[in-house]
Amino acid sequence: NAGVTQTPKFQVLKTGQSMTLQCAQDMNHNSMYWYRQDPGMGLRLIYYSASEGTTDKGEVPNGYNVSRLNKREFSLRLESAAPSQTSVYFCASSVRPGTVVGYTFGSGTRLTVV
Amino acid sequence: GQQLNQSPQSMFIQEGEDVSMNCTSSSIFNTWLWYKQEPGEGPVLLIALYKAGELTSNGRLTAQFGITRKDSFLNISASIPSDVGIYFCAGQNYGGSQGNLIFGKGTKLSVKP
Repeated sequence: NAGVTQTPKFQVLKTGQSMTLQCAQDMNHNSMYWYRQDPGMGLRLIYYSASEGTTDKGEVPNGYNVSRLNKREFSLRLESAAPSQTSVYFCASSVRPGTVVGYTFGSGTRLTVV
Repeated sequence: GQQLNQSPQSMFIQEGEDVSMNCTSSSIFNTWLWYKQEPGEGPVLLIALYKAGELTSNGRLTAQFGITRKDSFLNISASIPSDVGIYFCAGQNYGGSQGNLIFGKGTKLSVKP
């Protein structure tokens, strides 16, 4: 019962470095999402993929790129990390957009940019 | 875009007390959801509400979907230390182009034994 798996769990980057956050789900869900969580800000959508082969911007996409590698995997890339991207990043998946069930979340990646 | 106002932002209560938190929106939702996030983990779905006026329980948790479809509340009865965490409300519309969840900013609950 893995659900949604995120790697790595922790990461420290220097300003300007790049990295890719990985996410995989084993529930045969069609849709996948990347959120960031900052204190007092709740969860804000960065990018989402409604189905394999499609990606769309969310509320806060600047500074990020995504790739829906296949139905299972959805990665988030920071090309040139900035201190403002210090956050906790959550990947989530759902059967499809608009499903009434909600999302299943991973356990998060804690990223610090120094 | 749609925004949710969740209150209170934080609560410090004694074990055994009841807790109430709510969420309001300027626009309607078809579904209201309540999630709990424990330290170091991702949010986990507690209760989903599908129609206006619906009252649903999950153990000591009770949530209601407001009649206007613009609000929801969550009650926790007889709180225990393991209730500690951040509780998020979320609204969802389906049938549209996205159906993405809109999250409140969370209520941080602390329970003193």
